[in-house]
Amino acid sequence: AQTVTQSQPEMSVQEAETVTLSCTYDTSESDYYLFWYKQPPSRQMILVIRQEAYKQQNATENRFSVNFQKAAKSFSLKISDSQLGDAAMYFCAYRKGTSGSRLTFGEGTQLTVNP
Amino acid sequence: EAQVTQNPRYLITVTGKKLTVTCSQNMNHEYMSWYRQDPGLGLRQIYYSMNVEATDKGDVPEGYKVSRKEKRNFPLILESPSPNQTSLYFCASSSQRGARPTTDTQYFGPGTRLTVL
Repeated sequence: AQTVTQSQPEMSVQEAETVTLSCTYDTSESDYYLFWYKQPPSRQMILVIRQEAYKQQNATENRFSVNFQKAAKSFSLKISDSQLGDAAMYFCAYRKGTSGSRLTFGEGTQLTVNP
Repeated sequence: EAQVTQNPRYLITVTGKKLTVTCSQNMNHEYMSWYRQDPGLGLRQIYYSMNVEATDKGDVPEGYKVSRKEKRNFPLILESPSPNQTSLYFCASSSQRGARPTTDTQYFGPGTRLTVL
């Protein structure tokens, strides 16, 4: 079974600084997707960034980027120029490439942004 | 506007009183799913549906039922709720058609906070 681990329950960063959230996963599949979701206090689940395993290039979305290390099964999220609105719970998630597969989530990392 | 809706958003009930949480999507998605979120555990899948009349168990199905009679709706039923089902529940949907990665993004509802006393 696939597992996703986020070893940092809490992280904090100063406004305008950079922070990296860690995620590791375990799978025997070669075709899969990885995601980072943001959950602000409103509880809404917001997709931040997505990485296809078959792509070697790391995904980037504005201030958010990932470091995808396929051999190490590591998928970290880097937030640059942190803003107060980035404060949220962040979940790493894995999904097999086959149609209809479930999302397997990590435990979450609570990010605090200090002014 | 493309969206997944859930009702109610908040619910406090008592042990054993049957309840239904509704989920509806307007994107004509084939795949729908229910998750529960608990502190320190992330989100775990309860049930999922590949299409109308096609449902299957997820990781934590005990104590829950679902049905998929219409493509847009996927209600979650707790026939005899217990306090350990106090949780935050999310419905999600995604398309199974078209080119990847279109089919890979799950859209989440706003969540339902359930408390069972």
